[in-house]
Amino acid sequence: DQQVKQNSPSLSVQEGRISILNCDYTNSMFDYFLWYKKYPAEGPTFLISISSIKDKNEDGRFTVFLNKSAKHLSLHIVPSQPGDSAVYFCAASVVNQAGTALIFGKGTTLSVSS
Amino acid sequence: DAGITQSPRHKVTETGTPVTLRCHQTENHRYMYWYRQDPGHGLRLIHYSYGVKDTDKGEVSDGYSVSRSKTEDFLLTLESATSSQTSVYFCAISTTSLLFFGPGTRLTVL
Repeated sequence: DQQVKQNSPSLSVQEGRISILNCDYTNSMFDYFLWYKKYPAEGPTFLISISSIKDKNEDGRFTVFLNKSAKHLSLHIVPSQPGDSAVYFCAASVVNQAGTALIFGKGTTLSVSS
Repeated sequence: DAGITQSPRHKVTETGTPVTLRCHQTENHRYMYWYRQDPGHGLRLIHYSYGVKDTDKGEVSDGYSVSRSKTEDFLLTLESATSSQTSVYFCAISTTSLLFFGPGTRLTVL
């Protein structure tokens, strides 16, 4: 059973508008959440994260919101730019013997048109 | 740049042949991971290592083995490759709560 779900495989947005990518999780033990961005033929790169003790974290054009009661987080990109076109993975962190084990969603492909 | 390289970057092989992928890191990190990425499945953990000679299974470990004889190298072996193992393989290291990924190896099993 999927513990981290990204139910929208793709999202298309016009340049300058807001992009909202959503993620749901099922395990209330997760204490840290991350978003990774992936361009074709490259490895995923860290974008932004949020601790479970916060409900918002902002970094420039990127903001992540966490709603613990709903087990839901979202990534907002404002304003969206064509260079933001990529696959975005939501991930939840569990610290165990594996160190930082990240459980990933299936990803959302964002396309930003100019 | 977390100093992670993967080799080869691309490989085409035939069903039933053994394949070894190599991950090399330059920064002495304790934890290393192998993930595979497939359309519709995201990134799934195959195996991980928490030190030299210390490894354990991840979510999709069947058909894979790993070895870590040195801190800097983490090898992933497909003993007898199958078409279902056609994928992009990423190595990663962890620092605090983050994973840093290598550039990936695209493996095609015909």
